[in-house]
Amino acid sequence: SQQGEEDPQALSIQEGENATMNCSYKTSINNLQWYRQNSGRGLVHLILIRSNEREKHSGRLRVTLDTSKKSSSLLITASRAADTASYFCATDYGNNRLAFGKGNQVVVIP
Amino acid sequence: EPEVTQTPSHQVTQMGQEVILRCVPISNHLYFYWYRQILGQKVEFLVSFYNNEISEKSEIFDDQFSVERPDGSNFTLKIRSTKLEDSAMYFCASSGTPGNEQFFGPGTRLTVL
Repeated sequence: SQQGEEDPQALSIQEGENATMNCSYKTSINNLQWYRQNSGRGLVHLILIRSNEREKHSGRLRVTLDTSKKSSSLLITASRAADTASYFCATDYGNNRLAFGKGNQVVVIP
Repeated sequence: EPEVTQTPSHQVTQMGQEVILRCVPISNHLYFYWYRQILGQKVEFLVSFYNNEISEKSEIFDDQFSVERPDGSNFTLKIRSTKLEDSAMYFCASSGTPGNEQFFGPGTRLTVL
C-alpha cells in the first residue's frame, strides 16, 4: 500500500482481471484523490472521495475510504492493457495542498 | 473538455540560469498550484496561489522560487538561479474551489546541466 514512507508497490495482472491497490494516510483528511500517470507523463485525475463518503464509482473504477483505518483502496475492474500506469493517491488534509503517496505501478498483460 | 496546459514540455538550462515555466489553468478556476516530481520520487507540493497571492508554500519553495499571474490566463513559476537538484518534472494544477478536484497539466521536464 502507499503511504508516506513505504516503497511503491508493483502489480502485474492479466487483461480482464481486477486490480486493487491501497493507500493509507496519517491524520484526518478533507478528501482523498486518485490519479493515474503513464510513464513520464502528466497526472490524470480519476476520482475524489470526501471524508464523509465510503465508496465512489466511476466507470470501471471503484474507490473506498475507511476513515477509521485511515485507508483507501482503488479497484480497477476488467483491466485493459491501456490501464498500465502508475496510480497515486493524494490526500488533502484541509490545507488545500495534496500529499502524494509513492504510487503503485500496475502492468496489465494483454 | 477544458484542461490545464503547460509550456514548454521540456526545458534544458545551465546551472545558475533563470527559468520560467508557464501554465494556463482551466479558465474558470481560481486556485492554482505548482508541484514537482524528481525522477523516481513522490510528487511534492510547492505552492498554492489564490487571489493574486500565495496561499501556502512548502519548505522547498525558497527565495529562489516565485510565482506570478501576469495576466488573466497565465500562471508562471520562476526559478531565479537553477541548481542541479532542481531537475524534475514540474506540474501545474488548478481547481475551481478549495477542497475540490485538482486538475494537473502534462508537466514541464526541467533538466539543469
